[in-house]
Amino acid sequence: DAKTTQPPSMDCAEGRAANLPCNHSTISGNEYVYWYRQIHSQGPQYIIHGLKNNETNEMASLIITEDRKSSTLILPHATLRDTAVYYCIVRGLSSNTGKLIFGQGTTLQVKP
Amino acid sequence: EAQVTQNPRYLITVTGKKLTVTCSQNMNHEYMSWYRQDPGLGLRQIYYSMNVEVTDKGDVPEGYKVSRKEKRNFPLILESPSPNQTSLYFCASSPGQGNTGELFFGEGSRLTVL
Repeated sequence: DAKTTQPPSMDCAEGRAANLPCNHSTISGNEYVYWYRQIHSQGPQYIIHGLKNNETNEMASLIITEDRKSSTLILPHATLRDTAVYYCIVRGLSSNTGKLIFGQGTTLQVKP
Repeated sequence: EAQVTQNPRYLITVTGKKLTVTCSQNMNHEYMSWYRQDPGLGLRQIYYSMNVEVTDKGDVPEGYKVSRKEKRNFPLILESPSPNQTSLYFCASSPGQGNTGELFFGEGSRLTVL
């Protein structure tokens, strides 16, 4: 599976948009980009995923570059409850293995 | 309610005393996986299973065993626990063939080995 690279930490002011980048330059053609977040020591929670088109749901938007080598998760109006560790991973049918590499993620601190 | 259930949630044990952490999902998912999380190291995959009777090693399998005799259960076995296996453990499952689909995580099992 393709590896991802994320900045270790980011700050965001409450009410502003939080833009979390992810680099996945070795992604294969039919691998999806998935985003999860983990609040404190709870189980990670699914946020959104996409293949090549931009996606939006009630939690966030996902922007994937045309070459699919990077993506950005956007939390449009960050709240204090969005403070968490955010993980970007890739997975898909091109892989014949169930290995998943989460990396260390980005710790997002939303400040009042 | 769709969920992944892990037991026990908290356990303190001693070196060498065999233990099993159970994981059960009620969503008929084919893929299941175990992770451990340590400070500063993120989530690291221990073992995964693509389907019943199919298991394989993740990145940190040493000291662990798993089995997948039925689709809903994927227990993690520590035959002879050691202090370096003190960690927070998560089980996850996902639908679909192979390595695809949204992952559903359990609430975690915090294990301390003295």
